[in-house]
Amino acid sequence: GENVEQHPSTLSVQEGDSAVIKCTYSDSASNYFPWYKQELGKRPQLIIDIRSNVGEKKDQRIAVTLNKTAKHFSLHITETQPEDSAVYFCAASMRSSGDKLTFGTGTRLAVRP
Amino acid sequence: DTEVTQTPKHLVMGMTNKKSLKCEQHMGHRAMYWYKQKAKKPPELMFVYSYEKLSINESVPSRFSPECPNSSLLNLHLHALQPEDSALYLCASSQETSREQYFGPGTRLTVT
Repeated sequence: GENVEQHPSTLSVQEGDSAVIKCTYSDSASNYFPWYKQELGKRPQLIIDIRSNVGEKKDQRIAVTLNKTAKHFSLHITETQPEDSAVYFCAASMRSSGDKLTFGTGTRLAVRP
Repeated sequence: DTEVTQTPKHLVMGMTNKKSLKCEQHMGHRAMYWYKQKAKKPPELMFVYSYEKLSINESVPSRFSPECPNSSLLNLHLHALQPEDSALYLCASSQETSREQYFGPGTRLTVT
């Protein structure tokens, strides 16, 4: 089955700096890659996603890049703010497995004011 | 309505109890999911319903029994649980075409 690795497990940045979280996946058939943000005690919230026919997608301060050849994708957050502090999960899925999401292990991001 | 709702928010049950978790969405989504999340871990898929039929069971023990009464509702029936089943149980739904899964707030379950 699919395996998703995520790095780093913790990340601390100064407010205003950029943060980058990286994920790799094992199954080349995966073609949908969402990112979720989960604040303490809250639900996972979909913040951005990318499909395999696109190399990059941007939404304001958040961008995701995908390298299908290398089987890795990354989340980039620019001009970080304290409210960006949360756990971020990447995930991968493929149609043939019923769109089952396989999650990475999570990155705890702390933005220092 | 653009949210997935879950009840109850918190549940404490003994190992001999029978209880049910409920999930509801009114976004017209035809796929619904149950996940289990332990502290500091990612969500783990348990079950998937597609068009009200069970399409994926991730080898979940039979003490967890899902039910999809209609396209808006998803239940998880619990019986004879173990303390290690204590976790946050999350429901999610998605439109098959868009594949974006939206999560409910979860039920925090404690088995004593």
